[in-house]
Amino acid sequence: DAGVIQSPRHEVTEMGQEVTLRCKPISGHNSLFWYRQTMMRGLELLIYFNNNVPIDDSGMPEDRFSAKMPNASFSTLKIQPSEPRDSAVYFCASSRPGQRQLVNTEAFFGQGTRLTVV
Amino acid sequence: KNQVEQSPQSLIILEGKNCTLQCNYTVSPFSNLRWYKQDTGRGPVSLTIMTFSENTKSNGRYTATLDADTKQSSLHITASQLSDSASYICVVSARGYGGSQGNLIFGKGTKLSVKP
Repeated sequence: DAGVIQSPRHEVTEMGQEVTLRCKPISGHNSLFWYRQTMMRGLELLIYFNNNVPIDDSGMPEDRFSAKMPNASFSTLKIQPSEPRDSAVYFCASSRPGQRQLVNTEAFFGQGTRLTVV
Repeated sequence: KNQVEQSPQSLIILEGKNCTLQCNYTVSPFSNLRWYKQDTGRGPVSLTIMTFSENTKSNGRYTATLDADTKQSSLHITASQLSDSASYICVVSARGYGGSQGNLIFGKGTKLSVKP
């Protein structure tokens, strides 16, 4: 398996533009997570899907951020309009829930998308 | 407030030496603790996952310990190699509702540099 695939690897955009990040989870995994990583705050969970349904989006910073998972093999994270403070590395991860629903299950991360908003 | 603190922030050691990274947490109720290794420009990779009842877990040259009473964990790296240069992130999961991953609390990581 190729692992979790994210695209693009790098994105540079102007403030105010719409940005769409894409993720293909590992086949057979039915949980998907979007994270953001910055030097100041480290890794932060933005949103988590289980069986394509958003379960917890409490980490989404504001209404400018939205995420969708139209099917088991694809998810998007959209920022509209983008702002310079959104500059970060965005990671997607997937996992296969264990008996206790993810509590002890390993998550596999993609390579990340480095977003720069100028 | 649920928090995970890691120390040191950064560490430089010589190849072949051992080192220990620390993680203190105030997460409650505790479910499990994970250590991730993150190479520069790549996503984190899981090293160990420990539940409340586990005191130690090894993965090759990496050994993690957990003291649930003092809420401390350590990651010990034996006979370090240049490829161990990375950030090591401690992540604590709080026991919560419905298996939601929203209760994962991340440390900011320790940046380890192994020099020849």
